[in-house]
Amino acid sequence: DTGVSQDPRHKITKRGQNVTFRCDPISEHNRLYWYRQTLGQGPEFLTYFQNEAQLEKSRLLSDRFSAERPKGSFSTLEIQRTEQGDSAMYLCASSFLGGFEAFFGQGTRLTVV
Amino acid sequence: DAKTTQPNSMESNEEEPVHLPCNHSTISGTDYIHWYRQLPSQGPEYVIHGLTSNVNNRMASLAIAEDRKSSTLILHRATLRDAAVYYCIRRFPGSARQLTFGSGTQLTVLP
Repeated sequence: DTGVSQDPRHKITKRGQNVTFRCDPISEHNRLYWYRQTLGQGPEFLTYFQNEAQLEKSRLLSDRFSAERPKGSFSTLEIQRTEQGDSAMYLCASSFLGGFEAFFGQGTRLTVV
Repeated sequence: DAKTTQPNSMESNEEEPVHLPCNHSTISGTDYIHWYRQLPSQGPEYVIHGLTSNVNNRMASLAIAEDRKSSTLILHRATLRDAAVYYCIRRFPGSARQLTFGSGTQLTVLP
């Protein structure tokens, strides 16, 4: 299967710790998106890359959040000094430049205790 | 934000058609309508999209009202595997931008 892959699938961390998630998009997809989803809500946009350039960031992406996409391939999302409010599903999606369909990974579920 | 309105939940019997409505009364002339669905413990998956004409694919049909202020996703024969949250999304043309999800419609399929 060559879909979008996210790692880890689940992460439990103590408040104040740093966590990093990885997303491997479908190869040759130029665009990569990060979303956050809390229980009972639809996904909320966090940030977007076109190749290695981070082109847009949501106001939801506080200073504790940083995302990278070195070389325009995989991406990482880091959360520093985690808070209980960061507990959520973090979803990654990718698409072709100009494509109409976004392909989502299965997400990383973060629990901050 | 690009707003759409959907019922919170709907029920259907297995092997019967399902019509999932969406209102987008403030849609502009060039916005596309996209539908995604999210099965339990999965990321969203693309279902279908359209602009003005009705659209069909292997998963579903999309009926868009003539004034484009509403649309309906049609699942022709619901199966238990179709139980999911269905999201109706407006998308700007040629947009590199993110999808703006609402709360969607939780579809329950009864055996």
